[in-house]
Amino acid sequence: AQSVTQLDSQVPVFEEAPVELRCNYSSSVSVYLFWYVQYPNQGLQLLLKYLSGSTLVESINGFEAEFNKSQTSFHLRKPSVHISDTAEYFCAVSQRNTGFQKLVFGTGTRLLVSP
Amino acid sequence: ETGVTQTPRHLVMGMTNKKSLKCEQHLGHNAMYWYKQSAKKPLELMFVYSLEERVENNSVPSRFSPECPNSSHLFLHLHTLQPEDSALYLCASSQDLRTSGRPDEQFFGPGTRLTVL
Repeated sequence: AQSVTQLDSQVPVFEEAPVELRCNYSSSVSVYLFWYVQYPNQGLQLLLKYLSGSTLVESINGFEAEFNKSQTSFHLRKPSVHISDTAEYFCAVSQRNTGFQKLVFGTGTRLLVSP
Repeated sequence: ETGVTQTPRHLVMGMTNKKSLKCEQHLGHNAMYWYKQSAKKPLELMFVYSLEERVENNSVPSRFSPECPNSSHLFLHLHTLQPEDSALYLCASSQDLRTSGRPDEQFFGPGTRLTVL
């Protein structure tokens, strides 16, 4: 079984400051890793994913995450945040080599960007 | 319509009512999912239909009953719910790994906000 821990339920930050949202996971098998974002009154959208290869993955809007196998972490970072990045961010894992994709989510981190 | 749509967006029901949530995906996927999102809890996978067969039931109470008549439509039938069932119910779809050969992202609908009085 897999589990995901997002220790920070809320992260306040000023606009243009850097931010890191932490994610640690536990699994006895190899996993895929994901970050999803949820804006108010919307469903979840995939932000980025790690499947294999380079441990650093990037999104189109400036976020990046690095897979660290030894620390079982997949922290999300952005060097300079915008007001529009205010949302809830969910880290998730899924087991490799299964048919349907069973995602196990963390409890989410609310990013609050203020001017 | 594009992506994943859900109706209704909001639903208020009494504990003795029967209602249904509807989800439709326009992405050509062959796997569909129901999730429950409650405050301060991880998203909870309720049901999965993949290749039109139910492949997982996550010990959800029988007052929730899913139906998947084809690969594009998914329903969640509700009856005699409890106040603790109030939550955001999210539908998602993806391509099954056995047909795509690679892990695809799940696409989520906007959800139905359910309130049980």
